[in-house]
Amino acid sequence: DAGITQSPRYKITETGRQVTLMCHQTWSHSYMFWYRQDLGHGLRLIYYSAAADITDKGEVPDGYVVSRSKTENFPLTLESATRSQTSVYFCASSGTENQPQHFGDGTRLSIL
Amino acid sequence: GQNIDQPTEMTATEGAIVQINCTYQTSGFNGLFWYQQHAGEAPTFLSYNVLDGLEEKGRFSSFLSRSKGYSYLLLKELQMKDSASYLCALMDSNYQLIWGAGTKLIIKP
Repeated sequence: DAGITQSPRYKITETGRQVTLMCHQTWSHSYMFWYRQDLGHGLRLIYYSAAADITDKGEVPDGYVVSRSKTENFPLTLESATRSQTSVYFCASSGTENQPQHFGDGTRLSIL
Repeated sequence: GQNIDQPTEMTATEGAIVQINCTYQTSGFNGLFWYQQHAGEAPTFLSYNVLDGLEEKGRFSSFLSRSKGYSYLLLKELQMKDSASYLCALMDSNYQLIWGAGTKLIIKP
């Protein structure tokens, strides 16, 4: 049972570069989410998806792009990375909108 | 708007009981979740309350009072492995989770 996996686990890049974080789940969950976690803040929702080809903005979507062509994958792209996007990024999924969300191990992203 | 408050840090002794409080303000409510997060790891689901009252799961219990905008997580028979951050999250009227900043629980022998 692989569950939900994120890649890479760690990434260092430079400002202005494009970077894509991958998320894959094997539960066939309808809902998938991207969060960022920064010291002193709770998890903040970047984007979410209710099903393939349906995505919606969360609390902090600026500077990020998502797609969901297949149910199991939900990549997050930073089109032109900025230092303020240095963070730990978590992907999560749930079967329905009010079921508990299950999280991947996270990607620690540093932008220099 | 919505707001969630929980203490930043708490300390307790191995074998004891600790209660972590969470207060919230919201215009729409679809449940209150508690997650555990060990340092450097992903959050893991602990409990979910949508109705008032106490939900018990082994050593962990969670309580909700919707009229008071208040929840707590009760941990009994504390073990060293319970040292972690505990995250309170409110599910709003759009079924989105609004997260507290977390309570870091330190367990001392």
